[in-house]
Amino acid sequence: GQQLNQSPQSMFIQEGEDVSMNCTSSSIFNTWLWYKQDPGEGPVLLIALYKAGELTSNGRLTAQFGITRKDSFLNISASIPSDVGIYFCAGLPRGTGNQFYFGTGTSLTVIP
Amino acid sequence: GAGVSQSPSNKVTEKGKDVELRCDPISGHTALYWYRQRLGQGLEFLIYFQGNSAPDKSGLPSDRFSAERTGESVSTLTIQRTQQEDSAVYLCASSLNRGRKLFFGSGTQLSVL
Repeated sequence: GQQLNQSPQSMFIQEGEDVSMNCTSSSIFNTWLWYKQDPGEGPVLLIALYKAGELTSNGRLTAQFGITRKDSFLNISASIPSDVGIYFCAGLPRGTGNQFYFGTGTSLTVIP
Repeated sequence: GAGVSQSPSNKVTEKGKDVELRCDPISGHTALYWYRQRLGQGLEFLIYFQGNSAPDKSGLPSDRFSAERTGESVSTLTIQRTQQEDSAVYLCASSLNRGRKLFFGSGTQLSVL
């Protein structure tokens, strides 16, 4: 099956710092989604990307669909304590496949 | 409601029992997905529905797992003869159509004793 490598696995940062995380795949994807998951909850959609090179922002969050279509990046600027959680990327491979593949997650801890 | 609803939110069962997990997708969403998430892990695809049909069942781990969808709405995931390794959070997601944004429910935490 498809492999999605998400990094870093975990991050410990000071409040106010910027955060970057990324996902890479071994094949071309048509769609990238970024999610945040809090304990005991389902993932909440943050940003959706549909075109290579697309750069989309949602408040302090910015995500990009890589030009090669094999990667995506999520940046969080000026982190705050409520940014704590696990961030997942998800991608839909090119072709007739139906399933979104998920990265293994980036655990973010923000130290006040 | 406006979002994806799953029930029960928690289910504790004994090994060997059957369980049914329910998902009510967002109204009008034709695509419905089931995922499994083990503790501290990512999401593992189980099955995808387009309407009431399941063109992709490739993620179901064994024949003890089955799912159906009716009325292009509610879906039920059934696990027969549960095993301890089935303990996980089962997440349902729906989207307007294939390849579009997935919206998740809060999941069912299944514990098999």
